[in-house]
Amino acid sequence: QQPVQSPQAVILREGEDAVINCSSSKALYSVHWYRQKHGEAPVFLMILLKGGEQKGHEKISASFNEKKQQSSLYLTASQLSYSGTYFCGTEMGGAQKLVFGQGTRLTINP
Amino acid sequence: EAGVTQSPTHLIKTRGQQATLRCSPISGHTSVYWYQQALGLGLQFLLWYDEGEERNRGNFPPRFSGRQFPNYSSELNVNALELEDSALYLCASQLVWSGTTNEQFFGPGTRLTVL
Repeated sequence: QQPVQSPQAVILREGEDAVINCSSSKALYSVHWYRQKHGEAPVFLMILLKGGEQKGHEKISASFNEKKQQSSLYLTASQLSYSGTYFCGTEMGGAQKLVFGQGTRLTINP
Repeated sequence: EAGVTQSPTHLIKTRGQQATLRCSPISGHTSVYWYQQALGLGLQFLLWYDEGEERNRGNFPPRFSGRQFPNYSSELNVNALELEDSALYLCASQLVWSGTTNEQFFGPGTRLTVL
């Protein structure tokens, strides 16, 4: 079951904050976040393994609420380089494969 | 260290033909994943190969198949091509599914166009 990402698209000015959500109808073992810039391959950002765990990467952090079966990606003081499409990939226990959401397109304007 | 490579970059075929896409993982990585990225549909999991064996496949018809060679490179074959097969096909390699370092490294993709 494909996780649902929201919003589908967001436009920000440089320096503003954004939150991207990823929800699953199934229990999750882990959540992975990737960013894909236009015309490029997706690049790994972070993985969250435990419920409630929060991880950080520069000014990008994420949380994983196991009970709610959702994860959120937080981008603070966004930079132009943050533009791209963000995908969450969810793993349901033991599958050893990722099911990706449809993506959230983030556009950062100067 | 060389990244994941894929060939060809672009492939144009007509309906009913067969397409073969190739992927070379990062040296030392034994797992290869294939994804289809059609417009507006995100990344759809196709196949997972590890140590030469098919370990899992996504919700795709049997005309999507592949294999992994002893050097861990992989091939994706799509038979009886249909117009809706037009998409970017991405290959990703992974060292091992450890539970803590499951980063997948993606190749640049093969753009398949079916006319």
